Amino acid sequence: AQKITQTQPGMFVQEKEAVTLDCTYDTSDQSYGLFWYKQPSSGEMIFLIYQGSYDEQNATEGRYSLNFQKARKSANLVISASQLGDSAMYFCAMREDSWDDMRFGAGTRLTVKP
Amino acid sequence: NAGVTQTPKFQVLKTGQSMTLQCAQDMNHEYMSWYRQDPGMGLRLIHYSVGAGITDQGEVPNGYNVSRSTTEDFPLRLLSAAPSQTSVYFCASSPHWGSGNETQYFGPGTRLLVL
Repeated sequence: AQKITQTQPGMFVQEKEAVTLDCTYDTSDQSYGLFWYKQPSSGEMIFLIYQGSYDEQNATEGRYSLNFQKARKSANLVISASQLGDSAMYFCAMREDSWDDMRFGAGTRLTVKP
Repeated sequence: NAGVTQTPKFQVLKTGQSMTLQCAQDMNHEYMSWYRQDPGMGLRLIHYSVGAGITDQGEVPNGYNVSRSTTEDFPLRLLSAAPSQTSVYFCASSPHWGSGNETQYFGPGTRLLVL
């Protein structure tokens, strides 16, 4: 079964607007972490934001915020004030307490239009 | 502090050849892992290690071997390359889960083409 589901293969957003990238996950662990990574066309994986399952507040890092809804098992990434440089693949990932690995979703390709 | 380094950046192999992809980290991380990235598949875990001398299989381990003789190095070996192993390979490292910083740091990737 898929651990991490990203239902949007591609998204478009106008420059300076906000965009939400969806991520749902499946786990029976109580302790886990959720991550978002950005992969630009150059290919490197860039860490963006982390949310622990016990964190009561949504994580924020600059223009990135994570909309964490534990009961719904969703961890959506919100990018505010999109910039052209935000055009990239975005991956959601989860690391569970009971497993020493990290599982990734299939990714969402975001294109920011000028 | 170089972070996670990988060599080579790009490699072409013929079917049946063997090779080793190198990975090193200088952050004293306990956890290291190898992923492959295929179009439309995201990243899939091949093998991982929670410390020197300890390795385990991930989601897609067939055709690959690993060893972890030191904290710093985690090489990935392809014993007999197949066209299905054409992919981009990423090495990653992180502190141990539960340390308070579970972020994984990725190397720049190795692009492998098997003919």
